Amino acid sequence: DIQMTQSPSSLSASAGDRVTISCRASRSVSSFLNWYQQKPGKAPKFLIYAASSLQSGVPSRFSGSGSGTEFTLTISSVQPEDSATYYCQQSYDRATFGQGTRLEI
Amino acid sequence: EVQLVESGGAFVQPGGSLRLSCAASGFTFGTSWMAWVRQAPGKGLEWVASIKQDGTDKYYLDFVKGRSIVSRDNAKRSLYLQMNNLRAEDSAVYYCAKITLFGGGWSFDSWGHGTLVTVSS
Repeated sequence: DIQMTQSPSSLSASAGDRVTISCRASRSVSSFLNWYQQKPGKAPKFLIYAASSLQSGVPSRFSGSGSGTEFTLTISSVQPEDSATYYCQQSYDRATFGQGTRLEI
Repeated sequence: EVQLVESGGAFVQPGGSLRLSCAASGFTFGTSWMAWVRQAPGKGLEWVASIKQDGTDKYYLDFVKGRSIVSRDNAKRSLYLQMNNLRAEDSAVYYCAKITLFGGGWSFDSWGHGTLVTVSS
């Protein structure tokens, strides 16, 4: 099984900050990497697919990069409504999620 | 608008069985892969099972393989998860998710609100 490891596990930022969340795969997943946002008590929301493609309707302050085993989710100017837990997920071999990164604004 | 509505979650004793359902609307159900993803209380997301458009291909998390069966009824626009021999570790909110394909990969692009399964004596 492919293991996904996110860092940090949690972070605190101020509105307007640039925030970066990392995701590492235990072996290459090519660009088959997605990102999701989940707010407390809510279902996850799909943000980014294929490592760097923004899902329709997602604000442009969100971006993704990487390939192989190293990936990054960046929020260029974080807003209060971005407080949530973020998950990466690989689809190279079935599906596994990272453990999540809790972002507090 | 895509809508996925799960039902069937309940409190069940270890060793018991449960059948979860997901009613889909707002998209062409019969042409979409579908999946179940779960989340234990206070924990992260865990993919459970996926099923192809016509139901011929199915994939499972190793932990549930042999105890669970994913199925679908395209005429009823419904997805199901039959879970047997339930264990405490199966306690979670179970989400129904629509899968979208892209260039060899895939993602969960729409999610239901989830149904809670609690396994306890």
